[in-house]
Amino acid sequence: QSALTQPASVSGSPGQSITISCTGTSSDVGSYDLVSWYQQHPGKAPKVMIYEGNKRPSGVSNRFSGSKSGNTASLTISGLQAEDEADYYCCSYTGSGVVFGGGTKLTVL
Amino acid sequence: QVQVVQSGAEVKKPGASVKVSCKASGYTFTNYGITWVRQAPGQGLEWVGWISPYNGNTNYAQKIQDRVTMTTDTSTSTAYMELGSLRSDDTAVYYCARSGSYPQDASDFWGQGTMVTVSS
Repeated sequence: QSALTQPASVSGSPGQSITISCTGTSSDVGSYDLVSWYQQHPGKAPKVMIYEGNKRPSGVSNRFSGSKSGNTASLTISGLQAEDEADYYCCSYTGSGVVFGGGTKLTVL
Repeated sequence: QVQVVQSGAEVKKPGASVKVSCKASGYTFTNYGITWVRQAPGQGLEWVGWISPYNGNTNYAQKIQDRVTMTTDTSTSTAYMELGSLRSDDTAVYYCARSGSYPQDASDFWGQGTMVTVSS
């Protein structure tokens, strides 16, 4: 199972919005509304920000939102803040297991 | 409060096995699954597999399924991941996390990670 495709890096200024894409295939992202997004700060464990495509866990800011079109899922962060600077990983069910994206480093300028 | 605490760092020789433990507390252990994810140094996340403490059902990543065994001890609310025939590319931080009743469910509470180093 190949990893999902994410851009290596994205950047934005405080207050701006950014979107991170996550491209899979019709066998994973395209077939299930089961994409999760994780935030990981250096040296820390991942934290779930979005699950089942567009649901936010309790305690996660509503500045984070998820969507999907075809085989591509997206994470949008609005009102960018310095603390959002981190690595972000998407993750999808494949029908037989789970696959992660390669990760995207978000830099807040 | 929910907590997931993993065992300490391990150094193993190629060909050996390693067993990492993951002790959960603050919730009913059998009501949730446990997912294992690893991260090689400077690399991204890789899903290793999932186990249901309720019935022992497992789902392993295809790449590693012939070398990994996941188990649970419900009497101590502890999950274990054993990886055999270790190779240098198994060097990674191994995380366990509470997840849902299915392998595809997201993970909400994570352990601190266990560094496994494979070196001769």
